[in-house]
Amino acid sequence: AIRMTQSPSSFSASTGDRVTITCRASQGISSYLAWYQQKPGKAPKLLIYAASTLQSGVPSRFSGSGSGTDFTLTISCLQSEDFATYYCQQYYSYPTFGPGTKVDIK
Amino acid sequence: QVQLQESGPGLVKPSETLSLTCAVSGYSISSGYYWGWIRQPPGKGLEWIGSIYHSGSTYYNPSLKSRVTISVDTSKNQFSLKLSSVTAADTAVYYCARGAMVRGVKRDYFDYWGQGTLVTVSS
Repeated sequence: AIRMTQSPSSFSASTGDRVTITCRASQGISSYLAWYQQKPGKAPKLLIYAASTLQSGVPSRFSGSGSGTDFTLTISCLQSEDFATYYCQQYYSYPTFGPGTKVDIK
Repeated sequence: QVQLQESGPGLVKPSETLSLTCAVSGYSISSGYYWGWIRQPPGKGLEWIGSIYHSGSTYYNPSLKSRVTISVDTSKNQFSLKLSSVTAADTAVYYCARGAMVRGVKRDYFDYWGQGTLVTVSS
């Protein structure tokens, strides 16, 4: 199985901050990476696929980059509705998810 | 708009079989796409269980493969999950979701999700 790790596991931020979350794969996965946002009690929501392609309807303050083993999710200007947990997921092999990064209010 | 809705018992006894159904609306399963199950133990991360194509072709997470069966009923526009010999470790919120297709090629990320259903394994 391809193992996914994320850093940090959690952090506090303020509205308006620029935040970056890192995801690393245990082996090269080309650009077969997706990012999801999950709020408490809700299903995950697809934000980005193919490492950098924004899903339809997702605000442009979200962006993704990377290929191979190292990836980042950036939120350019954090909004109140962005406080949530973020997961990366590779689909190069059978799907596996990262452990999540929780973003809460400072 | 594609919508998915999970249903099934919220409590299952250890060693028994967990059975869930996902009803799809707003899209005909027969038209294509892969359809999957993902679970999330309370307070923990996400684990893909397996996926099925409308033709019935399936593929499973190797760690669960021996206990999992996913089937599809195109006449009812729904697909189902069976997980046998459950233990407390199978307690989780179970989600059904649609696997993406890009230019006709399967891509195993998930663009539409159900709301999830909590299944507790306990005697």
